[in-house]
Amino acid sequence: ETGVTQSPTHLIKTRGQQVTLRCSSQSGHNTVSWYQQALGQGPQFIFQYYREEENGRGNFPPRFSGLQFPNYSSELNVNALELDDSALYLCASSLAQGAQGYTFGSGTRLTVV
Amino acid sequence: QKEVEQDPGPLSVPEGAIVSLNCTYSNSAFQYFMWYRQYSRKGPELLMYTYSSGNKEDGRFTAQVDKSSKYISLFIRDSQPSDSATYLCAMSRTTDSWGKLQFGAGTQVVVTP
Repeated sequence: ETGVTQSPTHLIKTRGQQVTLRCSSQSGHNTVSWYQQALGQGPQFIFQYYREEENGRGNFPPRFSGLQFPNYSSELNVNALELDDSALYLCASSLAQGAQGYTFGSGTRLTVV
Repeated sequence: QKEVEQDPGPLSVPEGAIVSLNCTYSNSAFQYFMWYRQYSRKGPELLMYTYSSGNKEDGRFTAQVDKSSKYISLFIRDSQPSDSATYLCAMSRTTDSWGKLQFGAGTQVVVTP
């Protein structure tokens, strides 16, 4: 399978709930980065995973956590959802840490009400 | 103050005109400068990247970097309605941080037939 696949495409959650977003990396890609893109803003780096280990984190609180699995697919978990967490969540994968051309998925649109 | 500033637009131009986009930044440690295009409901796709100062041309696209002024530009010649999208500038310090980009807010471009 080619490309980066994210699921679900859209979801609505209530403030205080927890959510898990999923990312299936492009075939062979061992590095994945997660970004949050609020409406009308550019993506903001959340964290990166390289070979199942966290490899850098942006300015996001600990209630944002992640996992990368042996097949290099990844999850983003957000606990205690707040209204400001409403955004498009993007994952991007690459073959190696320093490689160019991270491929982005189409994102998951999360709405917190 | 944000590390990367970008005018959100919208920027409306007639078909065939030159589109001029720019970003300013504050951190002199940035070495790699990218331009991404993002269509509605899609993830960003890499258009061009430039290392340090200078110009780079790829078809109808030209990227310019002036590190002394902390200013980067993207020019699109002979613009087409299919160029209508949001254009994001992004920057990183090293090749290892390509997956941990600092994005601008994005400029929405509308090319009218």
